[in-house]
Amino acid sequence: EDQVTQSPEALRLQEGESSSLNCSYTVSGLRGLFWYRQDPGKGPEFLFTLYSAGEEKEKERLKATLTKKESFLHITAPKPEDSATYLCAVQALWAGNNRKLIWGLGTSLAVNP
Amino acid sequence: GAGVSQSPSNKVTEKGKDVELRCDPISGHTALYWYRQSLGQGLEFLIYFQGNSAPDKSGLPSDRFSAERTGGSVSTLTIQRTQQEDSAVYLCASSPRDLYGYTFGSGTRLTVV
Repeated sequence: EDQVTQSPEALRLQEGESSSLNCSYTVSGLRGLFWYRQDPGKGPEFLFTLYSAGEEKEKERLKATLTKKESFLHITAPKPEDSATYLCAVQALWAGNNRKLIWGLGTSLAVNP
Repeated sequence: GAGVSQSPSNKVTEKGKDVELRCDPISGHTALYWYRQSLGQGLEFLIYFQGNSAPDKSGLPSDRFSAERTGGSVSTLTIQRTQQEDSAVYLCASSPRDLYGYTFGSGTRLTVV
């Protein structure tokens, strides 16, 4: 069964304390892996798409990497405004018109000043 | 518009009533998706539109749920004879093409009492 597991469920960091969030996935062929951030009361906000193992993408203090079994979201020198829930999702190589994303439950990140 | 707009933002309805949720995607985005998010659960795919057609309806939980899209733009998700288990945040997203990061709306919080 295709699934996505994120860890840890919650993470509390001090401002400037770098860390990584993990997204492990099991799919029968990966079409794409997506990272989003979600603030309370809002819809998810797109961060990155990764398509193949070895790929890396960066945006400000965030860097996403991908292997054949997992993805990491590295947060360098976080600030309080990076506090949010970070969601990982995958799209599998299914036949036909199936376009659904399979989502993890997210990592809730709190950055203390 | 500048973003994906959903209305209403909140809806409280009595069990057994019908509800309509509206999504106005970003102009020019041909792909439109409906998801729902329940507390403690990951985002659940409902339906995908490409233009006005729905190639993937696989996520609709029962025949009480239906959706349409007109003019390649506005979409309406209708839930008939609402049940308490339908309570969730219903999220709409659009993207300019397949396998591209989605832009989500802020969602409609549906409460069935």
